[in-house]
Amino acid sequence: DTEVTQTPKHLVMGMTNKKSLKCEQHMGHRAMYWYKQKAKKPPELMFVYSYEKLSINESVPSRFSPECPNSSLLNLHLHALQPEDSALYLCASSVGTGAYEQYFGPGTRLTVT
Amino acid sequence: LAKTTQPISMDSYEGQEVNITCSHNNIATNDYITWYQQFPSQGPRFIIQGYKTKVTNEVASLFIPADRKSSTLSLPRVSLSDTAVYYCLVGDAGGSYIPTFGRGTSLIVHP
Repeated sequence: DTEVTQTPKHLVMGMTNKKSLKCEQHMGHRAMYWYKQKAKKPPELMFVYSYEKLSINESVPSRFSPECPNSSLLNLHLHALQPEDSALYLCASSVGTGAYEQYFGPGTRLTVT
Repeated sequence: LAKTTQPISMDSYEGQEVNITCSHNNIATNDYITWYQQFPSQGPRFIIQGYKTKVTNEVASLFIPADRKSSTLSLPRVSLSDTAVYYCLVGDAGGSYIPTFGRGTSLIVHP
């Protein structure tokens, strides 16, 4: 199974809501990533987890809170988002941190109203 | 962190070979070169990775000259379904690697 799954596919939330994005992989990968991608722009790295510990936080605002409950799961908790946070949120995994092949999920399309 | 530069867009026709070049002048000794393909509203998909000379797989070839300051992704006999954005990334296998996607090259394949 070389698939990374993400739920939900689409999410619309108000600025006062709290929601979570979920990512799952069963490839035994020990590195997992969150990216944000705006329309017609490249993916931007947000967070990297290595062996379930946060290893890289690319100066992401605290209204985004990542969590890695176990080696297969990665969550992104959202709170008090702004309309400019509307984007495609991509999850990826790889065998380890470093320039290894990353497997990406299909993404969650987030709209903040 | 090695910065990459690619053409913003390219056009081709079905059946032609397409070569997309990426410039990475300050590539480090331990850096690898990796290419991804992305269709609209989908996650990027790994195409190929190399360190030096030439690498070939079932979908593409990657040519890297001796000075490694650039690399060329070669797609043989493209089809309409190859219309996508192609990204070149450079980085090492160490834990400090921060995957950084540049602007990418938007390839449009015409009938």
